Amino acid sequence: GQQLNQSPQSMFIQEGEDVSMNCTSSSIFNTWLWYKQDPGEGPVLLIALYKAGELTSNGRLTAQFGITRKDSFLNISASIPSDVGIYFCAGDSNTGNQFYFGTGTSLTVIP
Amino acid sequence: DAGITQSPRHKVTETGTPVTLRCHQTENHRYMYWYRQDPGHGLRLIHYSYGVKDTDKGEVSDGYSVSRSKTEDFLLTLESATSSQTSVYFCAISEGGGRLGQYFGPGTRLTVT
Repeated sequence: GQQLNQSPQSMFIQEGEDVSMNCTSSSIFNTWLWYKQDPGEGPVLLIALYKAGELTSNGRLTAQFGITRKDSFLNISASIPSDVGIYFCAGDSNTGNQFYFGTGTSLTVIP
Repeated sequence: DAGITQSPRHKVTETGTPVTLRCHQTENHRYMYWYRQDPGHGLRLIHYSYGVKDTDKGEVSDGYSVSRSKTEDFLLTLESATSSQTSVYFCAISEGGGRLGQYFGPGTRLTVT
């Protein structure tokens, strides 16, 4: 299957700090999705990206579709305690039906 | 929240026994998916369905079968459970394929002893 590498694996930050994480793949993707998962729950979609170079925001979250189409980036500005969770990237395999997920970035926000 | 329920939410079973997990949606979405989530692997697609009786394999389909006889229900069956199938299983739905994102259910924690 496709390899999606997310970094960093985990982050411990102070409330109010900005956060950056990224995801790289071994092949070109046509779609990048970013999800957040809270403990004991299923992932929830945050942002969807469809074109190389695209920059999309959702509140304090901003994500970018890398120009090589093999990577994507997620930034969170002015972190708050409810940002705690695991963030996953996901990319499609050109069929639109089989998405590959990264291994996740665990975010801890210290008040 | 999208109307997705999974049952059971927790199950412990013995190696070699059959297990069926159920996913039920009230959204009338065409696509339904089964994923497993394991530490260090993220979520991996097991099988998906693009309509009643229309299913296809995902990345890790060996040892699993699925059925979809109604739009709202998608069943995942482990014919003979093995310890390697201990995992958290998530069902997801989407309206027009995964490109618009998927709505995930609450998950089923399965332990095979």
